[in-house]
Amino acid sequence: GAGVSQSPSNKVTEKGKDVELRCDPISGHTALYWYRQSLGQGLEFLIYFQGNSAPDKSGLPSDRFSAERTGGSVSTLTIQRTQQEDSAVYLCASSSYIHSNEQFFGPGTRLTVL
Amino acid sequence: TQLLEQSPQFLSIQEGENLTVYCNSSSVFSSLQWYRQEPGEGPVLLVTVVTGGEVKKLKRLTFQFGDARKDSSLHITAAQPGDTGLYLCAGVRRETSGSRLTFGEGTQLTVNP
Repeated sequence: GAGVSQSPSNKVTEKGKDVELRCDPISGHTALYWYRQSLGQGLEFLIYFQGNSAPDKSGLPSDRFSAERTGGSVSTLTIQRTQQEDSAVYLCASSSYIHSNEQFFGPGTRLTVL
Repeated sequence: TQLLEQSPQFLSIQEGENLTVYCNSSSVFSSLQWYRQEPGEGPVLLVTVVTGGEVKKLKRLTFQFGDARKDSSLHITAAQPGDTGLYLCAGVRRETSGSRLTFGEGTQLTVNP
């Protein structure tokens, strides 16, 4: 596709359940980033990938959060045993190379934990 | 502690007015960017500033990077209702790896007709 896509666009889950969020970056982009945005707030960095490797996982809030990227393309962010404080919009971005100044963002996945 | 302090958080003005949004930090940034985000969408890049003291203009928007590369401002002249949205500043800190962005909390701008 022409831009970054994310699925699902909305996810409602019950506390304690696991969820998987998917990101399809722009074709050929080697760098991929995950951010989290609470209601009306700025974005909080979670993790980034260069190819399939994740050099910086320092933003992941707890060990319930994990992410992987396969084939240098699609990435999945998994949240285990979801808590209400995990409710947020999860945004994915990609860039053509790791030191590129321009990151292209997807529309996000709105996660609501009941 | 917020690394990038953005002010004001909320701004409601009338069409035709001018406004300035500020982004301040005690950290030095390799580059600083301004994004605009609309409801249900991801942020869209407006501009990147790299050099201390740099000024960039995008139609009615003027962006400035501080001499010490610790702060930036966005000035909008003769605001229009179409300028309504969440404006975010974001920077790449020299000491961090890759190009991970540190974001300010955002300024929600509403321009009333």
